[in-house]
Amino acid sequence: KAGVTQTPRYLIKTRGQQVTLSCSPISGHRSVSWYQQTPGQGLQFLFEYFSETQRNKGNFPGRFSGRQFSNSRSEMNVSTLELGDSALYLCASKVQGTTDTQYFGPGTRLTVL
Amino acid sequence: AQSVTQLDSQVPVFEEAPVELRCNYSSSVSVYLFWYVQYPNQGLQLLLKYLSGSTLVKGINGFEAEFNKSQTSFHLRKPSVHISDTAEYFCAVSEVGNQGGKLIFGQGTELSVKP
Repeated sequence: KAGVTQTPRYLIKTRGQQVTLSCSPISGHRSVSWYQQTPGQGLQFLFEYFSETQRNKGNFPGRFSGRQFSNSRSEMNVSTLELGDSALYLCASKVQGTTDTQYFGPGTRLTVL
Repeated sequence: AQSVTQLDSQVPVFEEAPVELRCNYSSSVSVYLFWYVQYPNQGLQLLLKYLSGSTLVKGINGFEAEFNKSQTSFHLRKPSVHISDTAEYFCAVSEVGNQGGKLIFGQGTELSVKP
């Protein structure tokens, strides 16, 4: 079974631009979560989608948004990029429930100049 | 709200020595507990998880962890480490009953295994 895939793997943007990251979950997984990883703040939960609906949300500004499609693929969007948005963005998928194991993708490394 | 504290940011150890990575958590509700490993330039991989039952949990690659409710700890152990265990290790919790099970992570412990 193929793992979680994220595209692109690396991205360079400038301040003020917007960016869209994509995540394809493992086949059969209906829940997709997004996390931001930075050296200073560590791993922080952004949001989780299940059956095309946002089920959980972390404490990030409204510039961070996401969506999920009917095939469970998910995208996250960051508008008006700031230098502090430079991070590794990780996507994780699981079947559906709290006790199901989350499988992480390799991440998208975003650099904001 | 939950929080996770990993007591050591870096742990250097010699090959074939035992290792313990410490994790304490704080929560007003019951939680599930997890340990993940991250190798350089890769995503996170689940080592083990505690959901209920026996407090000693065995995971992959010879790792195990013990849940101690009274001390709110979930320390990770391995009796004999290998060079290939060099990686960053994350302890995480999720709230029991939360449908989505969002993970709250500790800051990570960098394990460095030396020959």
